[in-house]
Amino acid sequence: QSVLTQPPSVSGAPGQRVTISCTGGSSNIGVGNNVHWYQQLPGAAPKLLIYTDNNRPSGVPDRFSGSKSGTSASLAITGLQAEDEADYYCQSYDSSSLSVVFGGGTKLTVL
Amino acid sequence: QVQVQESGPGLVKPSETLSLTCAVSGYSISSGYNWGWIRQSPGKGLEWIGSIHHSGSTSYNPSLKSRVTMSVDTAKNQFSLKLNSVTAADTAVYYCARPYKSAWYGVFDIWGQGTVVTVSS
Repeated sequence: QSVLTQPPSVSGAPGQRVTISCTGGSSNIGVGNNVHWYQQLPGAAPKLLIYTDNNRPSGVPDRFSGSKSGTSASLAITGLQAEDEADYYCQSYDSSSLSVVFGGGTKLTVL
Repeated sequence: QVQVQESGPGLVKPSETLSLTCAVSGYSISSGYNWGWIRQSPGKGLEWIGSIHHSGSTSYNPSLKSRVTMSVDTAKNQFSLKLNSVTAADTAVYYCARPYKSAWYGVFDIWGQGTVVTVSS
């Protein structure tokens, strides 16, 4: 059971917009700790997609965006493309356990 | 550019110690960063194992803390992970990684390709 809760799967057609939620609690997201997002393509290592809630590392398309409110965060992907099909993970810091924590991951299927 | 590469035995017997090394190239480990280990069990999500600063200070996942030891070797520009008393539940792909910014824990932007470790007799 992950500290951060994500839906197991989401799907969308090419060109559409999808969102992936990440729900935490009062000791992580709710206390103001930043949320980060990773994309993991099949057979590959994770890739940092969003850091500190809504910032993109160099090279990440602006189709990817992040937001945070209360004890939850979201990753939005617009103009969905076939190559976006991957697993997506949120990550934060838990101030109670003093630990880096990940969500359980969400598998995005592009229909 | 900065690269990290895991190495170590792919098969470990139950109750023994898993030992992995992460070689860093393109950056001097003694210049900073909290270098991390993350694992991913088959078909499962990511789990942070812990992080080590070039000075040797460590931070471990509480769920693994009693079994984990991390160390850094600045002369060889590498850092290491030891996980003792392993069971089948420790079977996973193990990644080493560097954070996006030097003072951060987590937020890893440079990852190794991962190494598969199977715990079996």
